[in-house]
Amino acid sequence: ELKVEQNPLFLSMQEGKNYTIYCNYSTTSDRLYWYRQDPGKSLESLFVLLSNGAVKQEGRLMASLDTKARLSTLHITAAVHDLSATYFCAVDASGTYKYIFGTGTRLKVLA
Amino acid sequence: GAVVSQHPSRVICKSGTSVKIECRSLDFQATTMFWYRQFPKQSLMLMATSNEGSKATYEQGVEKDKFLINHASLTLSTLTVTSAHPEDSSFYICSAEQVSNSYEQYFGPGTRLTVT
Repeated sequence: ELKVEQNPLFLSMQEGKNYTIYCNYSTTSDRLYWYRQDPGKSLESLFVLLSNGAVKQEGRLMASLDTKARLSTLHITAAVHDLSATYFCAVDASGTYKYIFGTGTRLKVLA
Repeated sequence: GAVVSQHPSRVICKSGTSVKIECRSLDFQATTMFWYRQFPKQSLMLMATSNEGSKATYEQGVEKDKFLINHASLTLSTLTVTSAHPEDSSFYICSAEQVSNSYEQYFGPGTRLTVT
């Protein structure tokens, strides 16, 4: 059974600081997705990572995928208050196209 | 492109009644759609895979007779919560799979169900 874990679960950080959220998964997959969710809202797609070594950047966020280590990272650079949200990774369970979501990381950026 | 809608966005119903939630892919055809449930401050849990023209596939622990899924066309899947109880109150999110884009799923805006 595919399991997806994120850490940390909660993150409170000051504006201007850098931090990394980790997403570990338990079985083979080479497709991983990052989403943002604001309170009461659905998911906003951030990154689609489809191969080993994939790296994508958008604004202050950068995501990477290491399929051999079964690890993806979401790096936040110089955080701003607007980045406060819950971030989820989701892994495509190989051969099924089902997404298994991580536990989520609730980020709070303090002004 | 790749827009998915859900209706209604919010619904309140009484215990014992049934509620239908619609999920539509607006600008692409989706042979496969997915239904997720999210309890407050928790992650999304896949409930079932909805296949156009065939029976839905339910995840372990999800009662198929309680959560009826019908995927009647290439752009519409419906989830009916039958004989709803307060513990069914949750945020229900659907997604539609776009085959032409590496099977990426596109998510709807969600439906907040409250059972009183």
